[in-house]
Amino acid sequence: DTGVSQDPRHKITKRGQNVTFRCDPISEHNRLYWYRQTLGQGPEFLTYFQNEAQLEKSRLLSDRFSAERPKGSFSTLEIQRTEQGDSAMYLCASSLVGGRNEQFFGPGTRLTVL
Amino acid sequence: AQSVTQPDIHITVSEGASLELRCNYSYGATPYLFWYVQSPGQGLQLLLKYFSGDTLVQGIKGFEAEFKRSQSSFNLRKPSVHWSDAAEYFCAVGSSFNTGNQFYFGTGTSLTVIP
Repeated sequence: DTGVSQDPRHKITKRGQNVTFRCDPISEHNRLYWYRQTLGQGPEFLTYFQNEAQLEKSRLLSDRFSAERPKGSFSTLEIQRTEQGDSAMYLCASSLVGGRNEQFFGPGTRLTVL
Repeated sequence: AQSVTQPDIHITVSEGASLELRCNYSYGATPYLFWYVQSPGQGLQLLLKYFSGDTLVQGIKGFEAEFKRSQSSFNLRKPSVHWSDAAEYFCAVGSSFNTGNQFYFGTGTSLTVIP
């Protein structure tokens, strides 16, 4: 078990460009979450999947954001037409189904939009 | 709606001193509560969690936390801090219903340990 991995770890892009991040959860975990963390703040929920189904999206997830988990394994988070306000750490977490199950977090992808 | 408040943005303690980090939550039912630690450039690591039962829970690295329903608090404690404990600490509340179980995090407390 190698834990949750995220790629890339850092991404610098120019405003208006599209970016895509990948998350590989712990293999037996059927839930996958995306959070955004800005400087001085705690992680804020963006969306989550149970297997391949996207079951909930936060109001923070504007229409420029899209997430997929096509085969119920890895997930991608795409941001189109990036803005400077999108600069943040994007964290992925996975867990088993059930409220008592902790979420295991990946190291995050730090996005800088110039 | 669920929410978490961590009143202390930054705390400085001497190595070997005791530590208490405060966390207050708002939740309509019995909450699931968690403390995570984040070192610079790293993801979040779970220190401990509370679901039910004994209100004093033990975690990793010598940390413990006490759930006090009357005060809506879940404070984190450690009797003797080590220099390696310097990090950002986040309290989180999760849903006790078997739904999405998204976590609501506080804004974090940054811990500095001085020799």
